[in-house]
Amino acid sequence: SQKIEQNSEALNIQEGKTATLTCNYTNYSPAYLQWYRQDPGRGPVFLLLIRENEKEKRKERLKVTFDTTLKQSLFHITASQPADSATYLCAQGSGGSYIPTFGRGTSLIVHP
Amino acid sequence: EPEVTQTPSHQVTQMGQEVILRCVPISNHLYFYWYRQILGQKVEFLVSFYNNEISEKSEIFDDQFSVERPDGSNFTLKIRSTKLEDSAMYFCASSGGSSGGETQYFGPGTRLLVL
Repeated sequence: SQKIEQNSEALNIQEGKTATLTCNYTNYSPAYLQWYRQDPGRGPVFLLLIRENEKEKRKERLKVTFDTTLKQSLFHITASQPADSATYLCAQGSGGSYIPTFGRGTSLIVHP
Repeated sequence: EPEVTQTPSHQVTQMGQEVILRCVPISNHLYFYWYRQILGQKVEFLVSFYNNEISEKSEIFDDQFSVERPDGSNFTLKIRSTKLEDSAMYFCASSGGSSGGETQYFGPGTRLLVL
C-alpha cells in the first residue's frame, strides 16, 4: 500500500532562515501531494497542492516541489517567523479519489 | 471566510455509550468527510459522503459507526457503543467548492474521551 513518510524529528531553525521539510512516498507515484499546517489541538489547514506533472508551486513565502524520480516532495518556508511554528502534514492523493493519505507530520520550531 | 464548524468541542462518555458528533460543512461544498486522529498519531480517514450516501469508508469505519445528513446543513457521525480505543480527535472536513474536490477544509475537531 502507499505510504507517506515524514521526518519524525522536530526541525528547529532560527527566525529569518528557510525551513525545508521532506515528504517521501513509496510505491506508485501519487496524482498529487498536499501540505497542511496543524496547530496543537486544531484541525489541519490546507496550504498547497502540487500535481505529479508540476515541478514546483509557490504561494507567498511557501514553496513546494515534487520530484517523481526521488519520490519526494520538499516544502520550504522562506524568511521563517516564530508564528510558523506548527506541525506540517504531507498528504498524497491518487487520481479519481478526493481522499488524501496523511503522513505523521513534522514539527517545525522557529526560534526568535 | 466560510469555515467548517463542529460541536461539541469536547465530549466525555462512558464505554458502551452512544455519542453523536456534529458538523456543519461549508455551504457550497458537495463532499463531506470524517477523520480521526489519536493523540500523537496521523490523521486517519474514516468515511466520505456524497450525494446523500457513503462514497468510501475505511476499515476503521465498522458497524459501530454511522453517518447522516439529517438536513441541508448538518453532517453527523454516530458511534453506537463507544470503546476505550475510540478516544481521539474527530475532524469533519468538506470539499468540492471552487477550490476543487481535493482541497479539504477541516473543522476544529471534537475531542472524544471514552472512560
